[in-house]
Amino acid sequence: QQPVQSPQAVILREGEDAVINCSSSKALYSVHWYRQKHGEAPVFLMILLKGGEQKGHEKISASFNEKKQQSSLYLTASQLSYSGTYFCGTPRDAGGTSYGKLTFGQGTILTVHP
Amino acid sequence: NAGVTQTPKFQVLKTGQSMTLQCAQDMNHNSMYWYRQDPGMGLRLIYYSASEGTTDKGEVPNGYNVSRLNKREFSLRLESAAPSQTSVYFCASTPPRITGNTIYFGEGSWLTVV
Repeated sequence: QQPVQSPQAVILREGEDAVINCSSSKALYSVHWYRQKHGEAPVFLMILLKGGEQKGHEKISASFNEKKQQSSLYLTASQLSYSGTYFCGTPRDAGGTSYGKLTFGQGTILTVHP
Repeated sequence: NAGVTQTPKFQVLKTGQSMTLQCAQDMNHNSMYWYRQDPGMGLRLIYYSASEGTTDKGEVPNGYNVSRLNKREFSLRLESAAPSQTSVYFCASTPPRITGNTIYFGEGSWLTVV
């Protein structure tokens, strides 16, 4: 089942913060985050594993609460380059060698203005 | 280092025509995938291949066939194209889990079926 992202869209000014949430109806053992610019391929940001690990990428960090079956992506002091659509992805099945089998959320459109 | 290369980048088909999307990766990855992305939606897995000689269905396999020609190449074929198959198609590959968790996407193929 597809994870649900919220909000659907966010508009920020440079320097502002944002939080994007990703919730799943099934148990999770990892959550992947990707950013996609218009007309381009998705780019890997980070993966969150069981245990509540927080991973960082520049000024972007994330948390993962496996009990609540949700993950949140935190963008602090946003830059113009952060604009794009953010997707969370959850594994279609546990384990296996093909960990790229993900079910993606519908995406959150982030727009950063000067 | 080319990464994941897809061809063609753009294609217009008439309903009922057939075509093959080609994908090749030069990173020596075992697992390869085909995703489709419709406007305003996340990516959906069509087929994947855990290793050379094996293929399995993903979330939306109907109307498609795949071939894992060798370790480098993974093609997607539309036997009789339908307007519902108008989409952006992304090929992807992943290294062994022990070396990381990143999905490497190609640049995408824009397909329009009229």
